[in-house]
Amino acid sequence: ETGVTQSPTHLIKTRGQQVTLRCSSQSGHNTVSWYQQALGQGPQFIFQYYREEENGRGNFPPRFSGLQFPNYSSELNVNALELDDSALYLCASSLGGPSGMGDTQYFGPGTRLTVL
Amino acid sequence: KQEVTQIPAALSVPEGENLVLNCSFTDSAIYNLQWFRQDPGKGLTSLLLIQSSQREQTSGRLNASLDKSSGRSTLYIAASQPGDSATYLCAVRDGANSKLTFGKGITLSVRP
Repeated sequence: ETGVTQSPTHLIKTRGQQVTLRCSSQSGHNTVSWYQQALGQGPQFIFQYYREEENGRGNFPPRFSGLQFPNYSSELNVNALELDDSALYLCASSLGGPSGMGDTQYFGPGTRLTVL
Repeated sequence: KQEVTQIPAALSVPEGENLVLNCSFTDSAIYNLQWFRQDPGKGLTSLLLIQSSQREQTSGRLNASLDKSSGRSTLYIAASQPGDSATYLCAVRDGANSKLTFGKGITLSVRP
């Protein structure tokens, strides 16, 4: 059983550019959630995908968008990057429905994004 | 809106000490609560998950308790070791969807 993987590990972009981050779910998991963690803060929920459909979104602008593929891997896209987008981006996978009670979320190692 | 608080932000203890990390949340209508460990610059490792119907969970030297009515959880670490040094985050799953709401974490340093 493979764990959650994310790519790339680190990324440096300039303001205004676009970025795509990738996540491969743990084997058998059908739900992926994305979180943004600024330095010294707890992770903040961006959105969640269940069986390729967005299911729940946090307080993030539309320039944050995502996809989930049939194999349950996922992408996070951020357009028009701003300096405040610099953070660790974490994805988490879990098994179960969108309101699944009791399912543990397993996190990947994260992608460190720096916006200059 | 659910808010999760972890105080203090940092803690330093000598090796061998038993310690308690606190977590409080404002909305008691939670599905579950999860404790995570995060090493510097790394992802999150799940330590313990407590269902809303449970009072505690144990794994090795770790014991987590949940008191929904008072909006509190504690993570007890027995016989702390330098390898326990990390940031410990608690997160609650709210009732509206499956998102986790996190506290800011407690950075623990265990001195040899």
